Amino acid sequence: DTGVSQNPRHKITKRGQNVTFRCDPISEHNRLYWYRQTLGQGPEFLTYFQNEAQLEKSRLLSDRFSAERPKGSFSTLEIQRTEQGDSAMYLCASSPSSGQGFYQETQYFGPGTRLLVL
Amino acid sequence: AQSVTQLDSQVPVFEEAPVELRCNYSSSVSVYLFWYVQYPNQGLQLLLKYLSGSTLVESINGFEAEFNKSQTSFHLRKPSVHISDTAEYFCAVRLSSGGYQKVTFGTGTKLQVIP
Repeated sequence: DTGVSQNPRHKITKRGQNVTFRCDPISEHNRLYWYRQTLGQGPEFLTYFQNEAQLEKSRLLSDRFSAERPKGSFSTLEIQRTEQGDSAMYLCASSPSSGQGFYQETQYFGPGTRLLVL
Repeated sequence: AQSVTQLDSQVPVFEEAPVELRCNYSSSVSVYLFWYVQYPNQGLQLLLKYLSGSTLVESINGFEAEFNKSQTSFHLRKPSVHISDTAEYFCAVRLSSGGYQKVTFGTGTKLQVIP
């Protein structure tokens, strides 16, 4: 178990460019979540997958944002036509759909991808 | 919709002193409550949670939190802090029914333990 991994860890891009982030969850976890965290704020929920199905989407996820989890394993988050307001830390988390004790309802977070839009 | 309020953005405390980090939530239906911790240069990790049963929950490193439904609070306490407890602490809430997975986080409280 190597934990949740995210790539890249840092991304600098120019306004208007497209960016894509990848998240690899813990292998046996079928739930996957994306959050965004800006300076001085807590993580804000963006979207949730159960296996390959995207079951919840926040209103924060504008038309420029799209997330996929095609085979129910890794996930990608794409931002099209980036804006300076998209600068943030993008966090991915995973959890098992069932569990007992400490593992029940526990989300495991990755290290995040820090995006800077110039 | 649920929400979380952490009124204290920073809490300085001397080593071995007690500490309380406050968390209040708002929801019209029953919820699950969590405290996550983020140590410097590390990712978020679960500290403790309330799902059901005993309203007092404990972590392995001496923190505890009590779910108070009447006051809609889930304050985090530790009787004696260590330097290693310096971190940012986030309170979070999730609806416990309806199958919704969205977790709403507070803005965080930075605990600074002073030697």
